[in-house]
Amino acid sequence: ETGVTQSPTHLIKTRGQQVTLRCSSQSGHNTVSWYQQALGQGPQFIFQYYREEENGRGNFPPRFSGLQFPNYSSELNVNALELDDSALYLCASSLAPAPGVGETQYFGPGTRLLVL
Amino acid sequence: GQQLNQSPQSMFIQEGEDVSMNCTSSSIFNTWLWYKQDPGEGPVLLIALYKAGELTSNGRLTAQFGITRKDSFLNISASIPSDVGIYFCAGLPTGTASKLTFGTGTRLQVTL
Repeated sequence: ETGVTQSPTHLIKTRGQQVTLRCSSQSGHNTVSWYQQALGQGPQFIFQYYREEENGRGNFPPRFSGLQFPNYSSELNVNALELDDSALYLCASSLAPAPGVGETQYFGPGTRLLVL
Repeated sequence: GQQLNQSPQSMFIQEGEDVSMNCTSSSIFNTWLWYKQDPGEGPVLLIALYKAGELTSNGRLTAQFGITRKDSFLNISASIPSDVGIYFCAGLPTGTASKLTFGTGTRLQVTL
């Protein structure tokens, strides 16, 4: 048990729709990172939030956006869904002494998104 | 996106055997992490390494942070059926965003 939870566990959407995925971090963790994991691949970094501010982004288009809230919860929003967005979406929480300072990340169980 | 080179890609071993897997990168990392992922679950942290040359154990698992900071290995001794799963290495740089870069994964299957 990492103390990180995600909802929903599974989701089916159609192309062009929008989706919001949710994550609840470990209590006290000030950093949340989101990853996309396609089938048979390792997770790919989407973006990271430190104390409610975006703190870096991977190679994902602007239709992937996020929010982090003061109560340790966060959201990943994806607009204009494409078939290739089908994947397991993972959030990971951590406690960093400062933005960008290396820290150990603890993962939630993920949300499996299927886009038809 | 970038992924670290992890080998072997998959392995079948007999219960009781020792297992070795490694991970290499073209970039330097300040932290190496090893995760295990079961089907339909998120990765679970096994071992974290913070210093070049560091050797750390967690039960039957031992991992080392390479001297060059571009590689790491994980050993599992006396494997048991519950070791089945996918093992990922991950490197963590220090920078604007501490994004984990993951390896391609090693699928471990144990035969009785």
